[in-house]
Amino acid sequence: NAGVTQTPKFRVLKTGQSMTLLCAQDMNHEYMYWYRQDPGMGLRLIHYSVGEGTTAKGEVPDGYNVSRLKKQNFLLGLESAAPSQTSVYFCASRDRGEAFFGQGTRLTVV
Amino acid sequence: EDQVTQSPEALRLQEGESSSLNCSYTVSGLRGLFWYRQDPGKGPEFLFTLYSAGEEKEKERLKATLTKKESFLHITAPKPEDSATYLCAVNAGGTSYGKLTFGQGTILTVHP
Repeated sequence: NAGVTQTPKFRVLKTGQSMTLLCAQDMNHEYMYWYRQDPGMGLRLIHYSVGEGTTAKGEVPDGYNVSRLKKQNFLLGLESAAPSQTSVYFCASRDRGEAFFGQGTRLTVV
Repeated sequence: EDQVTQSPEALRLQEGESSSLNCSYTVSGLRGLFWYRQDPGKGPEFLFTLYSAGEEKEKERLKATLTKKESFLHITAPKPEDSATYLCAVNAGGTSYGKLTFGQGTILTVHP
């Protein structure tokens, strides 16, 4: 039972490049989330999904897009990366109770 | 808009010195308040869920309580291994159904 798996774990991008972060969960959870974590700012919600085929904006959605085509996967896309998107990204999933987190993706945009 | 504010931002304790962390929240239709622990370089790890005012949960040296406006995480006789960032999160209802909003966290350091 892998829980929540994020791919990749580390990535360095050049400004203007695009990429997709993949989050996969094997717990059949309905809800999935993408957060970014910067020093001193806790976890800030980027986008979330309350079920397959649905997405909603969080606190800091600008510059990111998401898709939830399959229940077990939640993709986070950066169309044109900017240095301000340098951060650690966490994915989480849950049903009615607590959320389970992946180990994070450390993204650096140079 | 849902808001979660944690205080203090950082807390330094001596081993055995008990204290409390605070989580104040504003949310439409609370459907759960969660406490997490996060160690450096790792994802948050679940500690407690509280659903209604007056509820309390305990685990080892930690005890979480909930009122209508805030939650406290009490740490009794802490040890150095309790050093971590403690995060609070609220699950909203209404138009924010399913949304999970975190506070900025409290960095706890326990000195031997």
